[in-house]
Amino acid sequence: AQSVTQLDSHVSVSEGTPVLLRCNYSSSYSPSLFWYVQHPNKGLQLLLKYTSAATLVKGINGFEAEFKKSETSFHLTKPSAHMSDAAEYFCVVSALSSMDSSYKLIFGSGTRLLVRP
Amino acid sequence: DSGVTQTPKHLITATGQRVTLRCSPRSGDLSVYWYQQSLDQGLQFLIQYYNGEERAKGNILERFSAQQFPDLHSELNLSSLELGDSALYFCASSPRTGDVYEQYFGPGTRLTVT
Repeated sequence: AQSVTQLDSHVSVSEGTPVLLRCNYSSSYSPSLFWYVQHPNKGLQLLLKYTSAATLVKGINGFEAEFKKSETSFHLTKPSAHMSDAAEYFCVVSALSSMDSSYKLIFGSGTRLLVRP
Repeated sequence: DSGVTQTPKHLITATGQRVTLRCSPRSGDLSVYWYQQSLDQGLQFLIQYYNGEERAKGNILERFSAQQFPDLHSELNLSSLELGDSALYFCASSPRTGDVYEQYFGPGTRLTVT
């Protein structure tokens, strides 16, 4: 069965310093992976997605993630944090259901990013 | 703005009642998904409709049901409401069905059951 584990429930960084949000996945096949962001009282916005093309994926707002099959990881990074990056981030895997052959999104538990001035 | 709209934004109701949440997908998207976000369960997939037909089911309770209409908008019906049903309910849409298609999320409906 497919699953994702976000290794940190909270990450705190200073403005202007790098961001690293960690995600490990479990999948019996090469999965599609996504990072979504949720700002307070807002819906979820797609940051980036990996669908078996280039392993380094660039997303919006300067975020990028690297798919590492050997480590089963898909960590999200950004070189320099802005105050506006403060939000909750979800690592997501697309899981194939053997019951109905459909794809479902499986969400990690989320990482809350705090950016200090 | 994702292009997915949800109404109402907030809903407060009593236990035992029935409510209907509405979702309009992005123009041209055939797939609609419903999710529940709660503090204890996190974000969970409930159900998917594709071009009017049920396509996939997740952790949806029997008290909950959904449908997708010919104009592709969808409704999620929650009945015999319990305190534990209080949550944020999101609708998402995608052009087709399949893992390569990203899902676009609406702003959500916050349901409070008292």
